[in-house]
Amino acid sequence: DAKTTQPPSMDCAEGRAANLPCNHSTISGNEYVYWYRQIHSQGPQYIIHGLKNNETNEMASLIITEDRKSSTLILPHATLRDTAVYYCIVRAPNSNSGYALNFGKGTSLLVTP
Amino acid sequence: GAGVSQSPSNKVTEKGKDVELRCDPISGHTALYWYRQSLGQGLEFLIYFQGNSAPDKSGLPSDRFSAERTGGSVSTLTIQRTQQEDSAVYLCASSLLRSQETQYFGPGTRLLVL
Repeated sequence: DAKTTQPPSMDCAEGRAANLPCNHSTISGNEYVYWYRQIHSQGPQYIIHGLKNNETNEMASLIITEDRKSSTLILPHATLRDTAVYYCIVRAPNSNSGYALNFGKGTSLLVTP
Repeated sequence: GAGVSQSPSNKVTEKGKDVELRCDPISGHTALYWYRQSLGQGLEFLIYFQGNSAPDKSGLPSDRFSAERTGGSVSTLTIQRTQQEDSAVYLCASSLLRSQETQYFGPGTRLLVL
């Protein structure tokens, strides 16, 4: 699986959009970009995933650059409950590298009042 | 629908005792995963079940750890002769199919070995 790079921490004011970047310059053509988050003392929560097209669901939007070497997770109107560690994971279906999701360090997002 | 559930939510035990942790995956999900997360650390893969196939036990840290999945649904992770370094949050996840990589996680069991 391709390696990802995320900033260790970010702040965002409540009600504003939170834009979380992720670099994955070694991504392969069949690898998807997944985003999870982990709120303190809870299990990881799936947010969204995509291959090359931008994706949107009720939680967030995922913008993937045309060359697919980076992506941005957008929380359009951040709330205090969005404070969490956000993980960007790159993975191919039926990966031969094992079944575990490699969460890495992630970005710790702090949403402030 | 119901998500992944785990029990107990918290477990305190004495060193040397055995513990059993339970995971109920999302109904219909054929793939089930166990991870553990030590304080301030990332997720460590433990074991993976896919349908009726033999489980992938490559992540189990020692032979004190074992897991089973009965009837392709509920799974139990057993830790024998617990040690203090076993203290962690044990997370279970399930996915619909092996080829579908979206894993849905339970709330975890927080294990403290005294």
